[in-house]
Amino acid sequence: EVQLVDSGGGLVQPGRSLRLSCIASGFVFDDYAMHWVRQAPGKGLEWVSSISWNSGNIGYGDSVKGRFTISRDNGKNSLYLQMNSLKSDDTAFYYCVKDNGYDILPGGNWFDLWGQGTLVTVSS
Amino acid sequence: DIQMTQSPSSLSASVGDRVTITCRASQDIYNYLNWYQQKPGKAPNLLIFATYNLQSGVPSRFSGTESGTDFTLIISSVQPEDFATYYCQQSYITPITFGQGTRLEIK
Repeated sequence: EVQLVDSGGGLVQPGRSLRLSCIASGFVFDDYAMHWVRQAPGKGLEWVSSISWNSGNIGYGDSVKGRFTISRDNGKNSLYLQMNSLKSDDTAFYYCVKDNGYDILPGGNWFDLWGQGTLVTVSS
Repeated sequence: DIQMTQSPSSLSASVGDRVTITCRASQDIYNYLNWYQQKPGKAPNLLIFATYNLQSGVPSRFSGTESGTDFTLIISSVQPEDFATYYCQQSYITPITFGQGTRLEIK
């Protein structure tokens, strides 16, 4: 079955760290760029970060730049998001997302497979 | 950043109605516009990519059009399973940005 399974969410205090993971199956993981997209409860979608098939190109949204780090391990079919210096505004469902192509250069990308999401709650 | 403005933010429709949802980009995005459907408690699902192209498995009652920087999602005859929230997304340039969403409710 083609799927993405997100994990690693939970309750964390402001200023602390958390690492999200995503395991892919049913497709050739290292053929595709991957992304993280988040959604605060009851709110809209916000792009967080992207990584190309070989980790050669990486991008971040302004709200997480310098605090979050995206990475992947193609040998383990896995995508990660290391989140440091967490703030209450980071509270959201985090979705692992597959791109239609292998790179993250602008133009012609769409998100054709989403994980089920993992909830991160930042609160004291 | 490119701003994506969706309208309306919500609408009510009856089964069988024709529904249109519009997304306006703050600058030219050269047809790099995608549409997603999200049902409560679920992850979004790709409906249409690159303005016009129906994702595999999506019913043909869904279609997309464009006029300059205005993009439209059309549902020709709304079915019960279509009641959900719809998002547009531009992928022309980073940061990738989404519209604020349009909630389609049953009248």
